[in-house]
Amino acid sequence: DGGITQSPKYLFRKEGQNVTLSCEQNLNHDAMYWYRQDPGQGLRLIYYSQIVNDFQKGDIAEGYSVSREKKESFPLTVTSAQKNPTAFYLCASSLLAGSTDTQYFGPGTRLTVL
Amino acid sequence: GDSVTQMEGPVTLSEEAFLTINCTYTATGYPSLFWYVQYPGEGLQLLLKATKADDKGSNKGFEATYRKETTSFHLEKGSVQVSDSAVYFCALSANDYKLSFGAGTTVTVRA
Repeated sequence: DGGITQSPKYLFRKEGQNVTLSCEQNLNHDAMYWYRQDPGQGLRLIYYSQIVNDFQKGDIAEGYSVSREKKESFPLTVTSAQKNPTAFYLCASSLLAGSTDTQYFGPGTRLTVL
Repeated sequence: GDSVTQMEGPVTLSEEAFLTINCTYTATGYPSLFWYVQYPGEGLQLLLKATKADDKGSNKGFEATYRKETTSFHLEKGSVQVSDSAVYFCALSANDYKLSFGAGTTVTVRA
């Protein structure tokens, strides 16, 4: 089955630690995205990538980093510089980075900082 | 900047009731409009979309029409079921290709 996988589903981190969230897609999509969801709020864009080896900051990139070494993979690192990292993180992809293209979402990773 | 405003919830309905969730937007240019649905503990699923004025998106009994004159994209369903209980997000995508989301509306349907 084609789709987007995210792992792990639940992640716990101690303050001061970096943690990496995985996102893989086998849809042959060029564009990939990371969003953060907080209770009662819409999704906010962290980073996006339109092509391999290229990515751009979204609205809330501070304290996060990404890489795009392969077309199918777009891992997100939550660094210790992120002041309030507890949230639900969603990865998405689209065929192209165009305004009419549908973004397809993975199941999400819930990160909790202890 | 681009933004989406959708009606606040929560919304509680009985089965077979009519559902409307209002969504209005502000955008430069000609955005594409989307409705996504999120079931508890899951990611978002595309429900429907419209890419130009007067287009009607439809899926699973849900409908929404892209109204440029009122900058709206209201979601409707004529007869809801318990399985429609979820959070619904209105979103737009404009020239910079990112999705801008509304805050989401929680819908609960009671048997």
